[in-house]
Amino acid sequence: QVQLVQSGAEVKKPGASVKVSCKTSGYMFIGSYIHWVRQAPGQGLEWMGRIIPHSGVTTLAQKFEDRVTMTRDTSINTVYMELSSLRSDDTAVYYCARVTGDRVGDISTYYFDYWGQGTLVTVSS
Amino acid sequence: SYELTQAPSLSVSPGQTAIITCYGETLGERYVSWYQHKSGQSPVAVIYQNNKRPSGIPERFSGSISGDTATLTISGTQPMDEADYYCQAWDYSWGVFGGGTKLAVL
Repeated sequence: QVQLVQSGAEVKKPGASVKVSCKTSGYMFIGSYIHWVRQAPGQGLEWMGRIIPHSGVTTLAQKFEDRVTMTRDTSINTVYMELSSLRSDDTAVYYCARVTGDRVGDISTYYFDYWGQGTLVTVSS
Repeated sequence: SYELTQAPSLSVSPGQTAIITCYGETLGERYVSWYQHKSGQSPVAVIYQNNKRPSGIPERFSGSISGDTATLTISGTQPMDEADYYCQAWDYSWGVFGGGTKLAVL
């Protein structure tokens, strides 16, 4: 069965970086894009960006372009999201999620069908 | 940047129909997905491509779109349906979520 298993909770100081992993299993790793979504306390879901596991190409939300790096390791079917220059408002639960769709390459048909369990990142001095 | 607008909250009694809407400019030209998010859990897709239900989602969940407003309808709402509901669409390669609607089943 498809599984996305994320790394554990992190506590970081302002200005530091955090790297969250998302280990996938149960499907062909290079066959599906992986996205990252976060939810700050009391806030809604916020799309951060995506990585194409086959190529490593990323697309990031504009507000994260300067601080987020997404990478992957195809040998262990894992993707990573690193957020730098942490601030207190980066305190959130971070989710990885797989997309699937009826038409390969047609992003408009995609939806998030499997999610990781979430990783709480707390930024506090 | 592209925006999706949802009412922040909705309250229904058990057995009633819950109607959650999502507005966005040119939304009628895009596919909309809906996600149920319960506290402490990961989001779950309940509707994709405007009106399709993923496997395992009860038939009481349905979706539609008219003009630039998408609608998630929960017929015969049950207490277990109490959750936050988010609409989502794509702006080219960028994902966009609505602000979410908190559904209370009282």
